[in-house]
Amino acid sequence: DSGVTQTPKHLITATGQRVTLRCSPRSGDLSVYWYQQSLDQGLQFLIQYYNGEERAKGNILERFSAQQFPDLHSELNLSSLELGDSALYFCASSVLQGGSGELFFGEGSRLTVL
Amino acid sequence: AQSVTQPDIHITVSEGASLELRCNYSYGATPYLFWYVQSPGQGLQLLLKYFSGDTLVQGIKGFEAEFKRSQSSFNLRKPSVHWSDAAEYFCAVGASGGGADGLTFGKGTHLIIQP
Repeated sequence: DSGVTQTPKHLITATGQRVTLRCSPRSGDLSVYWYQQSLDQGLQFLIQYYNGEERAKGNILERFSAQQFPDLHSELNLSSLELGDSALYFCASSVLQGGSGELFFGEGSRLTVL
Repeated sequence: AQSVTQPDIHITVSEGASLELRCNYSYGATPYLFWYVQSPGQGLQLLLKYFSGDTLVQGIKGFEAEFKRSQSSFNLRKPSVHWSDAAEYFCAVGASGGGADGLTFGKGTHLIIQP
């Protein structure tokens, strides 16, 4: 158990819909990262928050957004969903702000868009 | 920007045989290097990491990896694999300068264990 909790574990929805994925980081970790894992693209970094502030953006679509709340949990919002958004979405946390710290991953949220 | 290449998409090894998974990275300075393992339906678990010092690092589950700066490599090894080692293995690089982009992952190597 990494200490990172993600909900829901599975989600099935239709094209055009909007979903919210939730992540609770390990106790004491201030950084939260979101990654998308698909068969063709592998693990893609989406976005990072540190102590409530956005710190880095990767390959995140404009239809996607995220935020980190004062209690440090984070939500990833995916809107106007397309078939290609079907993937496993991972949240990871780290005690450090930058890329030098190891990441602790949740078990992921599997999104299926029909 | 950093990048990671895992040249082998699939590797098949007999149980009890030795294993080496290859990883090459691209980064301008001394990188922070990681190996993660992902079992089916699970998240990624850290096997080992290299930050500095001894270039041969030991990890969990009997794995080790060697950092070779001249070859820009960080290959993962295990002397004798077990059926439970069947999983997806990811090499990752982090920015030693503290860049905020998290880790950059390779596309992974799928390890199959033959009985």
